[in-house]
Amino acid sequence: AQTVTQSQPEMSVQEAETVTLSCTYDTSESDYYLFWYKQPPSRQMILVIRQEAYKQQNATENRFSVNFQKAAKSFSLKISDSQLGDAAMYFCAYRSAGGAGGTSYGKLTFGQGTILTVHP
Amino acid sequence: DAGVTQSPTHLIKTRGQQVTLRCSPKSGHDTVSWYQQALGQGPQFIFQYYEEEERQRGNFPDRFSGHQFPNYSSELNVNALLLGDSALYLCASSLLTSYYNEQFFGPGTRLTVL
Repeated sequence: AQTVTQSQPEMSVQEAETVTLSCTYDTSESDYYLFWYKQPPSRQMILVIRQEAYKQQNATENRFSVNFQKAAKSFSLKISDSQLGDAAMYFCAYRSAGGAGGTSYGKLTFGQGTILTVHP
Repeated sequence: DAGVTQSPTHLIKTRGQQVTLRCSPKSGHDTVSWYQQALGQGPQFIFQYYEEEERQRGNFPDRFSGHQFPNYSSELNVNALLLGDSALYLCASSLLTSYYNEQFFGPGTRLTVL
């Protein structure tokens, strides 16, 4: 079974500064997807960024980028130029890339989350 | 285009009762997944429905059951409620054949068991 670990229960950052959230995972699979989700106090989970395991290039989405280290099974999220609206709980998640008939296809395995506070 | 909707928003039940939660997927989606999120924790996968059948199941007892209707909407039923069932229940929809099978989440139903 796959596991996802976020070792930072809470992080804080000053507005306009950069912060990095850590995530490690354990899997025996070679093909999978990794995600960062944001859950603001309003509760709706929003996808921030995704990474395909077979791609060596790190994904970027505007101010959000990841550092994907497949051998180390590490997947950190960097938020640049932090904004007050970035304050939320952030979850790292894993999904197998197995075919549509695979037993783990579609199932997301989440970490425990990191609460990010942004100070003005 | 409406996103994923869930009802009710909040629900209070007592131990031993039964509860039904509802989910309407995002337009164009055919797959619905349910997650349980305890306070301060990450969501835990309950099960996933596609073509009106349960396709995958997480480590949850048989007290948790579901259904998917021909219009792709879904229900989550929990019988014999326990205090530990108090949580936020999230529904996520996706299109099975899409490249990423990206899951879009609803706002959740907050269940409190007294």
